[in-house]
Amino acid sequence: QVQLQESGPGLVKPSGTLSLTCAVSGDSINGAYWWGWVRQPPGKGLEWIGEIHHSGGPNYNPSLKSRVTISLDKSKNQFSLILNSLNPADTAVYYCARQGAYNIDSWGQGTLVTVSS
Amino acid sequence: EIVLTQSPGTLSLSPGERATLSCRASQSVSSTFLAWYQQKPGQAPRLLIYGSSNRATGIPDRFSGSGSGTDFSLTISRLEPEDFAVYYCQRYGSSPAMYTFGQGTNLEIK
Repeated sequence: QVQLQESGPGLVKPSGTLSLTCAVSGDSINGAYWWGWVRQPPGKGLEWIGEIHHSGGPNYNPSLKSRVTISLDKSKNQFSLILNSLNPADTAVYYCARQGAYNIDSWGQGTLVTVSS
Repeated sequence: EIVLTQSPGTLSLSPGERATLSCRASQSVSSTFLAWYQQKPGQAPRLLIYGSSNRATGIPDRFSGSGSGTDFSLTISRLEPEDFAVYYCQRYGSSPAMYTFGQGTNLEIK
């Protein structure tokens, strides 16, 4: 059974850069699945950020594309999210996820990132 | 850009009752690309239904999905106490690759 675990800072300053990592166990990021990120502002709905595959992508949400980078670290079986030029509206729980055939079949537990000075 | 609108925003029902949640797309969506998720407070979402009508692994058969074109629904035939949660529909788009979620339906105990 695949498990995903996010890690990274819980507090980032405005105009700063967020860097999160998702460690994957129970599956290889070199396999068939795409790997992605989804966020959820407190009390609000879900927003897809982007995805990557070992042989394709990355693909990003057009609304975030100018500020996002998603990459793979095959040696560590993990993938990462970088989001720059942060503002308070980026405060959210960030989930890493495994994407199956047109859906998201496994999720990390999520990590709250607060953008505040 | 295709927008998914879920209704109602909040649904108040009692255990044992039947729940029907709606997801309407602003343009036609392939059934293959439509999924449903359940999210409980403080937890990550969980995949319930994929391909509009296929239950994910381990999902009880009281959950069912249906629909086509622009109108999709999730039905819970007989509500159990653990079913009270927020439900999201999601659509995959291929050009460009993109996942879009509805705003959610909060299913609460009456």
